[in-house]
Amino acid sequence: DADVTQTPRNRITKTGKRIMLECSQTKGHDRMYWYRQDPGLGLQLIYYSFDVKDINKGEISDGYSVSRQAQAKFSLSLESAIPNQTALYFCATSDSRDTEDTQYFGPGTRLTVL
Amino acid sequence: GESVGLHLPTLSVQEGDNSIINCAYSNSASDYFIWYKQESGKGPQFIIDIRSNMDKRQGQRVTVLLNKTVKHLSLQIAATQPGDSAVYFCAENIRNFNKFYFGSGTKLNVKP
Repeated sequence: DADVTQTPRNRITKTGKRIMLECSQTKGHDRMYWYRQDPGLGLQLIYYSFDVKDINKGEISDGYSVSRQAQAKFSLSLESAIPNQTALYFCATSDSRDTEDTQYFGPGTRLTVL
Repeated sequence: GESVGLHLPTLSVQEGDNSIINCAYSNSASDYFIWYKQESGKGPQFIIDIRSNMDKRQGQRVTVLLNKTVKHLSLQIAATQPGDSAVYFCAENIRNFNKFYFGSGTKLNVKP
């Protein structure tokens, strides 16, 4: 979905390195989310933000941090990457004005930690 | 926590046939459901949704059925095409908790 972009699309890094994944959206949505996807598992929520001043932990926030720099930007950081953080990471957005709060996803970032 | 699961991890169908992908959910308080399609190398794409006050909803070539009695959700794709090949997964939401739970997905293979 071109309305939600993620950079980089692929990243290989080493254990202990700090990594930042970035997400930008042009949908005008106020809510943003970070998920990770592992083979055979459903999406797991890492962090979510309902507006610029609101940050909340998800199911698996340990080892991650986030920053909501603007309504359109939400970045995810791995302070000290470890191999079990190798996964596909997705950013999503939603609009609180939408009755159903449907989430729309970016194309994903494939992260490999060696 | 809630669980959202799929009965079949892989489904192979012949081009032109109808496909049915199933999903079971465990929380009877869930009131909104979405089906997503995820193609290789891409993010999940919204296909169709349904509220808990409905049993059936139709889109273009897709139909979602909801059976609240047995907590079961299905996605029917009519006249399946090669472009339908992807992983499909369901998501459930309890509005008061404003959180979605996602299933692990079913891979649909469409044979020409």
